[in-house]
Amino acid sequence: GNSVTQMEGPVTLSEEAFLTINCTYTATGYPSLFWYVQYPGEGLQLLLKATKADDKGSNKGFEATYRKETTSFHLEKGSVQVSDSAVYFCAHSRGGAQKLVFGQGTRLTINP
Amino acid sequence: DVKVTQSSRYLVKRTGEKVFLECVQDMDHENMFWYRQDPGLGLRLIYFSYDVKMKEKGDIPEGYSVSREKKERFSLILESASTNQTSMYLCASSLRRLGGSYEQYFGPGTRLTVT
Repeated sequence: GNSVTQMEGPVTLSEEAFLTINCTYTATGYPSLFWYVQYPGEGLQLLLKATKADDKGSNKGFEATYRKETTSFHLEKGSVQVSDSAVYFCAHSRGGAQKLVFGQGTRLTINP
Repeated sequence: DVKVTQSSRYLVKRTGEKVFLECVQDMDHENMFWYRQDPGLGLRLIYFSYDVKMKEKGDIPEGYSVSREKKERFSLILESASTNQTSMYLCASSLRRLGGSYEQYFGPGTRLTVT
């Protein structure tokens, strides 16, 4: 069935560290892939997306590449800031339907 | 910018009460969604609507119903609130796309506590 598996949190890093949050998916066909971010007390915001294999989504210094051969969409940032502290959700589109499948979320805390 | 608003940020209700959560979007999106968010479980879809008066059950519809009388408004109803419905409720909307999904835009959430 359709599912998304994310790296378990919480993840704690120091400012300027390199970040990777792993995400793998199980889906039929060629889903679109998304990373959403939820800052404290807020709803989810789209961070980046990729719609086909080998596409790279990027925004605010974050990047993720659609890897069809490994069914992965890992989120990376070269140098994190305290303001990146949030919960990050990986998601994929659910086949021909209008819905998304979300991972369980990864809480990231960046210490100064 | 797309804006999705929810009627309350925090709500406290008693067991057995009927609860209404309202969601409004201002971008003429066809699709609207209700999710609940619980620690360690991510987002789980409760109900989905793809047009006025049209609805589809999500993964966890038990104990909930929905209403969509106007395109911009999607209501979630807890017919008889129970303590296991204490959660964060998130509303989202998106354009309708044949054969796939557009990104969803989320409201700020309503944290519901049932005592």
